Amino acid sequence: AQKVTQAQTEISVVEKEDVTLDCVYETRDTTYYLFWYKQPPSGELVFLIRRNSFDEQNEISGRYSWNFQKSTSSFNFTITASQVVDSAVYFCALSESYGDSWGKLQFGAGTQVVVTP
Amino acid sequence: DTAVSQTPKYLVTQMGNDKSIKCEQNLGHDTMYWYKQDSKKFLKIMFSYNNKELIINETVPNRFSPKSPDKAHLNLHINSLELGDSAVYFCASSPSLAGQDEQYFGPGTRLTVT
Repeated sequence: AQKVTQAQTEISVVEKEDVTLDCVYETRDTTYYLFWYKQPPSGELVFLIRRNSFDEQNEISGRYSWNFQKSTSSFNFTITASQVVDSAVYFCALSESYGDSWGKLQFGAGTQVVVTP
Repeated sequence: DTAVSQTPKYLVTQMGNDKSIKCEQNLGHDTMYWYKQDSKKFLKIMFSYNNKELIINETVPNRFSPKSPDKAHLNLHINSLELGDSAVYFCASSPSLAGQDEQYFGPGTRLTVT
């Protein structure tokens, strides 16, 4: 069963608009880690952020911000004032600490973000 | 300096052939992985190795055989290639098996089986 759901397949925005990518996860572990990766058209996977299950503080890094809410099992990602260079596929991923899922990075299906000038 | 490198970047071959993809990391990490990204961009783990020991084998056909000669290298050999093996294969590494470790990905190898 899919443990990470990214319900938005594609989001298209015009430059300077804000865009929020949803990520909902499912786990029974009390200790787990959530990640966001970016895959630009060139194909490589770029790490953006890691958050552990005990740290619900929101984080901001430049135009990027993340909202982690354990109550809704969500770890959403917002790009403020989007730019054409933000066009990419964004993946949310879960890493659990126990059982069969230990040591695996489980990815969502990805959200394609298209930013047009 | 490239942290995680893979060769080749592109691989086009015919059904039934055997091919290998090589991966090297210069980060001093203990753990390495192979992931497969299908045509719909879905990423799924195939294998992980920790200090040359196989840790995860994720129900991958036994035509796929990973080999880790040392902890800096993890190669993937594929026998009797099938059309469905066409995908992008990513190698990755992390400091350890611990779930909190960020994984560093290679540039990917696009395999096309005709």
